[in-house]
Amino acid sequence: NAGVTQTPKFRVLKTGQSMTLLCAQDMNHEYMYWYRQDPGMGLRLIHYSVGEGTTAKGEVPDGYNVSRLKKQNFLLGLESAAPSQTSVYFCASRGGQVQETQYFGPGTRLLVL
Amino acid sequence: AQKVTQAQTEISVVEKEDVTLDCVYETRDTTYYLFWYKQPPSGELVFLIRRNSFDEQNEISGRYSWNFQKSTSSFNFTITASQVVDSAVYFCALKTSYDKVIFGPGTSLSVIP
Repeated sequence: NAGVTQTPKFRVLKTGQSMTLLCAQDMNHEYMYWYRQDPGMGLRLIHYSVGEGTTAKGEVPDGYNVSRLKKQNFLLGLESAAPSQTSVYFCASRGGQVQETQYFGPGTRLLVL
Repeated sequence: AQKVTQAQTEISVVEKEDVTLDCVYETRDTTYYLFWYKQPPSGELVFLIRRNSFDEQNEISGRYSWNFQKSTSSFNFTITASQVVDSAVYFCALKTSYDKVIFGPGTSLSVIP
């Protein structure tokens, strides 16, 4: 039982390049989330999913797209990376009951030059 | 609107001192959940506690204790006899009836030996 895993752990991109971050969970969780963490701002929600095939916008969705084709995977895409997207990205998942806790992946550090 | 405030950006204490981390939240919902997470220097996010809005009992777990007061919309976290391993960033978070979790900006705690 690996919990929540994220791939890659670290990546450097040039402005305008694209990439996809992968989040995988093996807990059969319904809900999955993508956050970004920036100094002094806590975690801000980018997009989330309440089940396979569904996605919704969070607090800071611009410049990102997501897909949830399989229940265990949640992909975050950057079509044209910008320096403002330099951040640490965390994925989280939780079960279907409203009171359930989110569990986080180890994070992906992204640097956009 | 929902909001979480952690007014203390950084705190430094000497080992064995007690320290309290403040968390104030805003919500109009009557049902909500509050969380504390710890982020050690290694970067992962570790779940510490969840409290629902109907349960105002204080919680103690070893050297950790939490004081939930609805009258002041606060959910404060106290570490007794702090240790160097407690050095981390601590996040308070709020979940209401929606699917999103709102995080505070975090408090960076340094415990000096």
